[in-house]
Amino acid sequence: KAGVTQTPRYLIKTRGQQVTLSCSPISGHRSVSWYQQTPGQGLQFLFEYFSETQRNKGNFPGRFSGRQFSNSRSEMNVSTLELGDSALYLCASSLEAGFMNTEAFFGQGTRLTVV
Amino acid sequence: QKEVEQNSGPLSVPEGAIASLNCTYSDRGSQSFFWYRQYSGKSPELIMSIYSNGDKEDGRFTAQLNKASQYVSLLIRDSQPSDSATYLCAVPGLMYSGNTGKLIFGQGTTLQVKP
Repeated sequence: KAGVTQTPRYLIKTRGQQVTLSCSPISGHRSVSWYQQTPGQGLQFLFEYFSETQRNKGNFPGRFSGRQFSNSRSEMNVSTLELGDSALYLCASSLEAGFMNTEAFFGQGTRLTVV
Repeated sequence: QKEVEQNSGPLSVPEGAIASLNCTYSDRGSQSFFWYRQYSGKSPELIMSIYSNGDKEDGRFTAQLNKASQYVSLLIRDSQPSDSATYLCAVPGLMYSGNTGKLIFGQGTTLQVKP
């Protein structure tokens, strides 16, 4: 069974540009969550999607957005990149929304460097 | 008070010893608890989930949950150098309306197992 697939694995962008990251969840999983990981802040929640709907959003500026498609694949977009956006972006896949009795599995992440 | 707290370490143990990692959480309503292992430069890997008070064993790993005291721990028996990694505790975020659909992570404890 294939795991969570994130593309691309590495990205280098210039300040002011925009970027789109992609996540394909585990087959059958309908929930996709996105996290940003930096050495200083640790893992920070960006947003969760379930059945093409954003269920919850973390405390990030509007430059960060996402969407989910009918096949559960998800994309996140960051516009007007800033140096501080350099981070590891992680996608987590789970069977159902929320985590009361549902485990989340992470993809390998996309390492974004903004120069 | 942080929602999920862990000692950042590093926790250093000799090979073959028991490593004990601790995590406290602030929301008394939390029902699910997860331990992830993250090797340097890699994404988090789910190693244990626990939902009920008491112990849950899986191979060399034992998760212990005490909801009354609001702590969850992870014991690693017969520690190996390959266990050297950062261990992240995660708890679902809650609101009065229920699960928010996000995982809140502690800052992680770095474990070093010395041969």
